[in-house]
Amino acid sequence: KNQVEQSPQSLIILEGKNCTLQCNYTVSPFSNLRWYKQDTGRGPVSLTIMTFSENTKSNGRYTATLDADTKQSSLHITASQLSDSASYICVVSARSGGGADGLTFGKGTHLIIQP
Amino acid sequence: DVKVTQSSRYLVKRTGEKVFLECVQDMDHENMFWYRQDPGLGLRLIYFSYDVKMKEKGDIPEGYSVSREKKERFSLILESASTNQTSMYLCASGQTALSTEAFFGQGTRLTVV
Repeated sequence: KNQVEQSPQSLIILEGKNCTLQCNYTVSPFSNLRWYKQDTGRGPVSLTIMTFSENTKSNGRYTATLDADTKQSSLHITASQLSDSASYICVVSARSGGGADGLTFGKGTHLIIQP
Repeated sequence: DVKVTQSSRYLVKRTGEKVFLECVQDMDHENMFWYRQDPGLGLRLIYFSYDVKMKEKGDIPEGYSVSREKKERFSLILESASTNQTSMYLCASGQTALSTEAFFGQGTRLTVV
């Protein structure tokens, strides 16, 4: 069964510090992986997408990496700000079949930035 | 910008009531989805639709039904609301079902008392 595991479940860091969130997946065959940011009480918003051939992609202070061999992705946040407090969800898409069961969601990492 | 709009941000209903959650998207997307999100469980797919009048069960369809009479609108129906259906409900739409580029609505926090 396709699975996406995220770690840690929750994380508290001081404003200005860096942090790294992890996503391990067993989805096969892999198509792409996306990181979403979900503010409290809001819907998730896409941060970045990683395809099979991409190793690193940056979006401002967010940098995502992908290792397709080990089936791991990370989201690194640099110089954290209070507005980074949110849940971060990893979503992996499988190439085979159709329908929404081609998407596998992680349970998210809840990040809290303290002043 | 893609817009996915859910009819209510907050809803309180009584046990046994019939509840309608409405979702409208403005990007002419083929696919629309309904998820529920609970602490520690993440997002779980209830139903999705890949075309008008077409629907497929997701992981947790029990107690729910859906309706897609028009391409832009996807409704989630709780036939007889129960307290275990208290949750955050998220609607999403996407161009292709396999793409992770799903655009989400702002969510509806439903409380069943």
